[in-house]
Amino acid sequence: KAGVTQTPRYLIKTRGQQVTLSCSPISGHRSVSWYQQTPGQGLQFLFEYFSETQRNKGNFPGRFSGRQFSNSRSEMNVSTLELGDSALYLCASSLASGLSSYEQYFGPGTRLTVT
Amino acid sequence: AQKVTQAQTEISVVEKEDVTLDCVYETRDTTYYLFWYKQPPSGELVFLIRRNSFDEQNEISGRYSWNFQKSTSSFNFTITASQVVDSAVYFCALSEATFRAGNNRKLIWGLGTSLAVNP
Repeated sequence: KAGVTQTPRYLIKTRGQQVTLSCSPISGHRSVSWYQQTPGQGLQFLFEYFSETQRNKGNFPGRFSGRQFSNSRSEMNVSTLELGDSALYLCASSLASGLSSYEQYFGPGTRLTVT
Repeated sequence: AQKVTQAQTEISVVEKEDVTLDCVYETRDTTYYLFWYKQPPSGELVFLIRRNSFDEQNEISGRYSWNFQKSTSSFNFTITASQVVDSAVYFCALSEATFRAGNNRKLIWGLGTSLAVNP
């Protein structure tokens, strides 16, 4: 069974630009969650999508948005990039929504650098 | 408030040593889930274990074992006879199971413990 895939793996953008990251979950998984990982803040939850609906959301500004398609693939968008958005963005898939009891399977991440 | 504390930022051991990674959590819920994940240098987080709050039985999986103690709000992870391949960052995480209106459920992560196993 193929794992979670994320594209692109590396990205360099300039302040003020916008970026879209893509995540394909494990086949059969309907929940996709996004996390931002930085050395100072650790792993921080962005949002979770299940069956094309945002089910849970972390404490990030509105510049961070996402969506999920009918095939469970998900995209995350960051508009008006700031230097502080430089991070590893991780996508995780799981069988069901809620985060509470289901283990998540992570992709390799997208390393975003904002200059 | 939910919180996960991994007090050990970095640990360095020599191969074959036993090592314990500490995890202390805070939650107001009686029903919750605890997780351990491993992040090797490649960057991909790997699920290790899930434990619900009603199951205090310790678990052993090969060289890995977990000690869950509700009385001290701890969920510690021990690697026996460590190997170089165990070098990674290990994360402990907490999720509350009770849904509260207006409150988004989410996974709260510790900051991780970086384990270096030297040959």
